[in-house]
Amino acid sequence: DAGITQSPRHKVTETGTPVTLRCHQTENHRYMYWYRQDPGHGLRLIHYSYGVKDTDKGEVSDGYSVSRSKTEDFLLTLESATSSQTSVYFCAITSQGQGRSPLHFGNGTRLTVT
Amino acid sequence: DQQVKQNSPSLSVQEGRISILNCDYTNSMFDYFLWYKKYPAEGPTFLISISSIKDKNEDGRFTVFLNKSAKHLSLHIVPSQPGDSAVYFCAIRIAGNNRKLIWGLGTSLAVNP
Repeated sequence: DAGITQSPRHKVTETGTPVTLRCHQTENHRYMYWYRQDPGHGLRLIHYSYGVKDTDKGEVSDGYSVSRSKTEDFLLTLESATSSQTSVYFCAITSQGQGRSPLHFGNGTRLTVT
Repeated sequence: DQQVKQNSPSLSVQEGRISILNCDYTNSMFDYFLWYKKYPAEGPTFLISISSIKDKNEDGRFTVFLNKSAKHLSLHIVPSQPGDSAVYFCAIRIAGNNRKLIWGLGTSLAVNP
């Protein structure tokens, strides 16, 4: 299995507070992604990175920011959490970009915003 | 508007029989088609893929079929096993765009002993 860990695994936070989720990989893969999974929506891409300090927006990026200062770490920040951001968040990595090589996913972070 | 549709939210199959999961798409500019499997409380795991230049790809008990004229993708599992019980997602890449996959909503497969 690809070495990818997400932390925390579970978090409950209050509306308006900042939250940072961490994704750490040991595979030295270039590409990293943040997805959210919600009932009725499947998996939706939030942000992705194609290298250190190189990031771009996905389809549901509003309210989220990311940073990648090292190859192995990709951080997702909710600047001011809202109830609509209650979701399960998955980090994924791949060596050649989505489609060309399979995505390897972490086990997810379940975030509840109250 | 969903470009990738998995029209069956759930499927129940007897152990040993064939499971067929389906995925329909609308865009002819897709070039890679992938299936992922997801167990509860875990991330999705890659299962099998096929490129648009092929119409079939096999890996053990899993076979993916691609019908480009019908814009239809299917995953066959033979024989089905209880451990195959999971949610299956199809994911499709827009040609030449390795930064974006379009995902179906998933089909929950239950294989009954």
